[in-house]
Amino acid sequence: DAGITQSPRHKVTETGTPVTLRCHQTENHRYMYWYRQDPGHGLRLIHYSYGVKDTDKGEVSDGYSVSRSKTEDFLLTLESATSSQTSVYFCAISGGGTQYFGPGTRLTVL
Amino acid sequence: EDQVTQSPEALRLQEGESSSLNCSYTVSGLRGLFWYRQDPGKGPEFLFTLYSAGEEKEKERLKATLTKKESFLHITAPKPEDSATYLCAVQLPGGGGSNYKLTFGKGTLLTVNP
Repeated sequence: DAGITQSPRHKVTETGTPVTLRCHQTENHRYMYWYRQDPGHGLRLIHYSYGVKDTDKGEVSDGYSVSRSKTEDFLLTLESATSSQTSVYFCAISGGGTQYFGPGTRLTVL
Repeated sequence: EDQVTQSPEALRLQEGESSSLNCSYTVSGLRGLFWYRQDPGKGPEFLFTLYSAGEEKEKERLKATLTKKESFLHITAPKPEDSATYLCAVQLPGGGGSNYKLTFGKGTLLTVNP
């Protein structure tokens, strides 16, 4: 299994609060991705990174920001969580081509 | 407009009953097509990558094939442990950092009854 961990694995928060999800890899891969997965929508790309401090938006980036200060860590921040951001969030890593996924974080915004 | 469409949405088979899942795509210049398996509560697990029409890949009871418009995941003599959601994704042409982005279909939920 690819060395990817996500933290926390589960989180319940309230509307309007900031939330940060962490993805950590031990594979030294260049590319890292954040997806959300919702029933009826499948996996949708939020943001991705193609190197330290190099990030770009995916198809559902509104309300999310990311940071990557080290190769191994990619952070996803919800500045002010909303109920529509209740979802399962997956991190993925890639050396170029195949993406390998982490175990996911289940986020509930009340 | 969906670029990747998977069918059927759900498929129920008896153990040993072979079948196929379909993934059709409407993009041009495909760089790669990926199949993943996802068990409940877990992240997607990589199965296959196909790069060109006519290519085939096999792993145990699974075989993936690719044409210019679609891919099939053939399941031969399935067992209950093959029950999962199967996801298809395409890698589109792009420049710079977007080279390796994937666009996913919504998946096929496969249930294999004993």
